[in-house]
Amino acid sequence: AQKITQTQPGMFVQEKEAVTLDCTYDTSDPSYGLFWYKQPSSGEMIFLIYQGSYDQQNATEGRYSLNFQKARKSANLVISASQLGDSAMYFCAMRGMDSSYKLIFGSGTRLLVRP
Amino acid sequence: DVKVTQSSRYLVKRTGEKVFLECVQDMDHENMFWYRQDPGLGLRLIYFSYDVKMKEKGDIPEGYSVSREKKERFSLILESASTNQTSMYLCASSLPGTGWRDYGYTFGSGTRLTVV
Repeated sequence: AQKITQTQPGMFVQEKEAVTLDCTYDTSDPSYGLFWYKQPSSGEMIFLIYQGSYDQQNATEGRYSLNFQKARKSANLVISASQLGDSAMYFCAMRGMDSSYKLIFGSGTRLLVRP
Repeated sequence: DVKVTQSSRYLVKRTGEKVFLECVQDMDHENMFWYRQDPGLGLRLIYFSYDVKMKEKGDIPEGYSVSREKKERFSLILESASTNQTSMYLCASSLPGTGWRDYGYTFGSGTRLTVV
């Protein structure tokens, strides 16, 4: 069975500092994809970044980067130069080959950026 | 941009009522999904559909059913609403894709349902 674990229910970060949100996963699939989504208080889920299990380099999208450590089965999200608008829930998700199109989500981390 | 539209942002229903949550996407996506989101539990898959008139149970289908008569529309039905179905409901769609990146979802804005 596949599983995503986010062990940080809530985090604070000072504006303009970097923050790392943890995500570990469990799968027996040799090929899988990892995703991070942001959910502001308005409720919509916003795709941030994606990492494929065979990608050689860590994914980056603007201020977001994914610290992918395959042997440790971790896919941590790094947000550089935090902004007040980064305050939101963040979800890590995974899809494996046996998932029949569905994404498995973690329980989420609530990030609060302090001015 | 792909748009996924959920018909209601907030909904209050009484116990025992039959409730319909509607979701429409405008980019011809084959796959559509219904999740519920509860604090501390993340998103849990209720049902999904990979084609018109096709449906598959997710992890928590009990008390729910779905309908997909047209490709763009995927409806979630609460047959007899109960208070433990008070939750945020999120609809999503995706392409079947040939690469992993395509398997990411586009979400609707969510429907916060309260059953009293």
